[in-house]
Amino acid sequence: AQSVTQPDIHITVSEGASLELRCNYSYGATPYLFWYVQSPGQGLQLLLKYFSGDTLVQGIKGFEAEFKRSQSSFNLRKPSVHWSDAAEYFCAVGAPEYGNKLVFGAGTILRVKS
Amino acid sequence: DTEVTQTPKHLVMGMTNKKSLKCEQHMGHRAMYWYKQKAKKPPELMFVYSYEKLSINESVPSRFSPECPNSSLLNLHLHALQPEDSALYLCASSRDSGANVLTFGAGSRLTVL
Repeated sequence: AQSVTQPDIHITVSEGASLELRCNYSYGATPYLFWYVQSPGQGLQLLLKYFSGDTLVQGIKGFEAEFKRSQSSFNLRKPSVHWSDAAEYFCAVGAPEYGNKLVFGAGTILRVKS
Repeated sequence: DTEVTQTPKHLVMGMTNKKSLKCEQHMGHRAMYWYKQKAKKPPELMFVYSYEKLSINESVPSRFSPECPNSSLLNLHLHALQPEDSALYLCASSRDSGANVLTFGAGSRLTVL
């Protein structure tokens, strides 16, 4: 069965420091992948997506992610974190073979210290 | 218009009440979704409508009844809920039910007393 793993429940970084949030998936075929961000009590906002092509994708708010097929990973990165980036981040994966149903990881809560 | 609008933002109901959550989009999307999100958990898919027909029901209890009156509207009718149904209910839409980006609404926070 398909699964999405975000191994870090919480991450704390200093403002201005770099950030990497990990996402690993287990799918039988080439999936498509997303990163969403959620502020407390709010809906989910799309940061970036990967369907095919260039494995390094750029998103909004200065985020990027790299698809590594050999590692079944789609890690999210940002070179310099801002206090407003504090939120919960969800990796999500879908595939036509599974009815295009998105499966979300458990989420990573990002805290930013000044 | 690139938004999904959900009403109400907050709802408190008793276990014998009947209420409805509403969702609206004007992006011309033909797939609409209901997700349930418990505190500190990821969203879980409940229902998918594709071209106004129910295409996926993730074994959701019958006390939750979805309805898609037209391509822009999605309702979730609630009846005889349990306290454990308290959660954030998220609506989303996408161009179709294929491999597409989901646009989420801000959610309806439901509390069942």
